[in-house]
Amino acid sequence: DGGITQSPKYLFRKEGQNVTLSCEQNLNHDAMYWYRQDPGQGLRLIYYSQIVNDFQKGDIAEGYSVSREKKESFPLTVTSAQKNPTAFYLCASSTRDVRGYTFGSGTRLTVV
Amino acid sequence: GESVGLHLPTLSVQEGDNSIINCAYSNSASDYFIWYKQESGKGPQFIIDIRSNMDKRQGQRVTVLLNKTVKHLSLQIAATQPGDSAVYFCAESGPRRGSTLGRLYFGRGTQLTVWP
Repeated sequence: DGGITQSPKYLFRKEGQNVTLSCEQNLNHDAMYWYRQDPGQGLRLIYYSQIVNDFQKGDIAEGYSVSREKKESFPLTVTSAQKNPTAFYLCASSTRDVRGYTFGSGTRLTVV
Repeated sequence: GESVGLHLPTLSVQEGDNSIINCAYSNSASDYFIWYKQESGKGPQFIIDIRSNMDKRQGQRVTVLLNKTVKHLSLQIAATQPGDSAVYFCAESGPRRGSTLGRLYFGRGTQLTVWP
């Protein structure tokens, strides 16, 4: 079955550490996205990519980095520069025309 | 930039009643709109979409209405069930850039609670 997979489901990070969240899709979608969701809040766009080897900053890119070396994969690194990283992170993919916009099940990141 | 807002952050309904969730969007150039349902601890799930050349679209127990004149979108859920309890987000496509739309813009969400 086609879908989008995020891992791990839960992640704990010590202050000052970088962590990388995985996102893989087999939907043959060109575009992929990372969102951050805080409790009781909406979705805020961190980064998005419409094609391999290209990506754009979203609304809250500071303290995050991404790469898009393969069409199927769009990993997100939460760096130590992100001062408040505890949140629920959602990855999504779609056609370049935002059709078939599909979300993963999310990764909950907690700083300890 | 573009923004999508919701009129009511919470909505409580009795089981069996109809629910109406509203959404105001800001970009008159948006030509595609989607409603998502998000249950606690899960990713949002697609419910229904509508293009700007339509005023209404129906799915199974759900109907989306689009009023482009006042830039308003609504989701109607018929015979609401306890399993419908979730946060509902609307999203708009924003303006088209060349041949692509680029991204979706999400509203803050409405928490729907269904009482037995």
